[in-house]
Amino acid sequence: NAGVTQTPKFQVLKTGQSMTLQCAQDMNHEYMSWYRQDPGMGLRLIHYSVGAGITDQGEVPNGYNVSRSTTEDFPLRLLSAAPSQTSVYFCASSYSTGVNEQYFGPGTRLTVT
Amino acid sequence: KQEVTQIPAALSVPEGENLVLNCSFTDSAIYNLQWFRQDPGKGLTSLLLIQSSQREQTSGRLNASLDKSSGRSTLYIAASQPGDSATYLCAVKAWVSGSRLTFGEGTQLTVNP
Repeated sequence: NAGVTQTPKFQVLKTGQSMTLQCAQDMNHEYMSWYRQDPGMGLRLIHYSVGAGITDQGEVPNGYNVSRSTTEDFPLRLLSAAPSQTSVYFCASSYSTGVNEQYFGPGTRLTVT
Repeated sequence: KQEVTQIPAALSVPEGENLVLNCSFTDSAIYNLQWFRQDPGKGLTSLLLIQSSQREQTSGRLNASLDKSSGRSTLYIAASQPGDSATYLCAVKAWVSGSRLTFGEGTQLTVNP
């Protein structure tokens, strides 16, 4: 299994541009989520999905969109990038909600200028 | 709101020492607690997962304990090695927040040869 994969690894955007961060898992996990990691703030939940077709907001959803059309993929869209969205983004998955261990991808480092 | 605190923020030890990393959380109603390791510029690697009904988990030189009533967990690393140098994060999954993980800010460990 490849586990949780993310593309790209690095990205530089100009303010106002849009882009999609890709996340895929091959473990048939129902639950997927996106976090951002910032110095002094730790990891914070952006959006999550408990299964295909079902998404919900996390702690810091503003400026981001998600969709879940398949079990495997959970892309994160930045609608109009802002410097405050400069961060490292991690995708995670687990078999289901509740007691299961979560697995994280390698991250995407995004800089917005 | 669940808050997770990790002490110390940074720790430097000579090779071979046994050491303890601390994690405390404010809401004892949790599904589980997970310890992760993060190397610089990399993703999160799951080390140990303790369910709310368990008191401890062990993997190799690592032992994690959980005391829900006092809101504490410790990660014990035996016979530390330079390869253990990394940031260690603890995260709790609370009942009311589905599968959302609430993270501490981590302990940055340096093991000197």
